[in-house]
Amino acid sequence: NAGVMQNPRHLVRRRGQEARLRCSPMKGHSHVYWYRQLPEEGLKFMVYLQKENIIDESGMPKERFSAEFPKEGPSILRIQQVVRGDSAAYFCASSPTVGTDTQYFGPGTRLTVL
Amino acid sequence: GNSVTQMEGPVTLSEEAFLTINCTYTATGYPSLFWYVQYPGEGLQLLLKATKADDKGSNKGFEATYRKETTSFHLEKGSVQVSDSAVYFCALSGNAGNNRKLIWGLGTSLAVNP
Repeated sequence: NAGVMQNPRHLVRRRGQEARLRCSPMKGHSHVYWYRQLPEEGLKFMVYLQKENIIDESGMPKERFSAEFPKEGPSILRIQQVVRGDSAAYFCASSPTVGTDTQYFGPGTRLTVL
Repeated sequence: GNSVTQMEGPVTLSEEAFLTINCTYTATGYPSLFWYVQYPGEGLQLLLKATKADDKGSNKGFEATYRKETTSFHLEKGSVQVSDSAVYFCALSGNAGNNRKLIWGLGTSLAVNP
């Protein structure tokens, strides 16, 4: 059973461009969480999704950021008009069932904004 | 709100030394508690967890006991190895409902010298 996959592993964007980060959960997992790790800071929760639904987006900036988890395909975290402050490592995690508290993490995408 | 506080690093030890990394939490209800490890350039791996008071999580020689009376979940290892050099994160998740988003400590960097 393949683990959580994220791509790309490294992404470089210039200010004002768009960044799309992809996360394929483990097979059979229908819950996805996104976290951001800023330099010199800890990990922060961004958004929690189930298939076709955003359950909790309380940690996601209101502007420029969006997330989806379609019925088919990976979960996407989209950042529009990136700024230097968006440079960070973005991790997604998946869990299998309702009420399960163990999350399995992908290797992360390291976004650098020039 | 829920929060996690862990001792600041970096921690530098010699091989075979005893390790303690302190972690305390604030939470409503009865959260689950976790230790994750991040090796250089990699993602997050679950090291151990405990889901109720007095539970002891253990893995790879690491242990942590869920202490509700002191709201603590300190990580210990009796004899560290060079390969244990990594960043260690303490985290909690609530047990209410389906949303198990993780609240993180800032991480403690551990360097083990031969």
